[in-house]
Amino acid sequence: DAGITQSPRHKVTETGTPVTLRCHQTENHRYMYWYRQDPGHGLRLIHYSYGVKDTDKGEVSDGYSVSRSKTEDFLLTLESATSSQTSVYFCAITAAGFEVGYTFGSGTRLTVV
Amino acid sequence: EDQVTQSPEALRLQEGESSSLNCSYTVSGLRGLFWYRQDPGKGPEFLFTLYSAGEEKEKERLKATLTKKESFLHITAPKPEDSATYLCAVQGGTSYGKLTFGQGTILTVHP
Repeated sequence: DAGITQSPRHKVTETGTPVTLRCHQTENHRYMYWYRQDPGHGLRLIHYSYGVKDTDKGEVSDGYSVSRSKTEDFLLTLESATSSQTSVYFCAITAAGFEVGYTFGSGTRLTVV
Repeated sequence: EDQVTQSPEALRLQEGESSSLNCSYTVSGLRGLFWYRQDPGKGPEFLFTLYSAGEEKEKERLKATLTKKESFLHITAPKPEDSATYLCAVQGGTSYGKLTFGQGTILTVHP
């Protein structure tokens, strides 16, 4: 998607290992979000950021941490991956005002075995 | 706590057969209701934002409407390329643009 990229696109990892997903934007948007998407649950907010070094928890933040040291990068870390964290992870960005909605990345499919 | 419920979960239509998708919501201080389209293996794509009851927005064969309790996405004379999952989301009175999403409606349009 234009202006926002996620890496990696796919990852398989073992239970108990740390994993970091990266979201990179070129739009200079202030607001960035991490969601996970699971069948039967829809999209659920994990963490979000409203500026460099300004982050807060969403509804499903347990087991996840985030960092934002630059406007363009928002990192999501699974501190010790569990099978329940197998999911598709989406990053989203939006400009201040929010009227134009989010722009989503293409997602990272994470499998924890 | 903001809540969004979409119905039906899945909808199969013949090409040209018009229908509507429903999004019911409860939110503290609605700041906006959003519709997105999601194709398999891709991120959701923004369609509309609605702000107040009575508002309507259109894009090609899609029209979104809003009341105080629900929103409808009307699809007129759909084509197979309209097949996708349609997501509804609300932004409540809290700040920072956080959205609460429904589970989506999977639309399949047969030729």
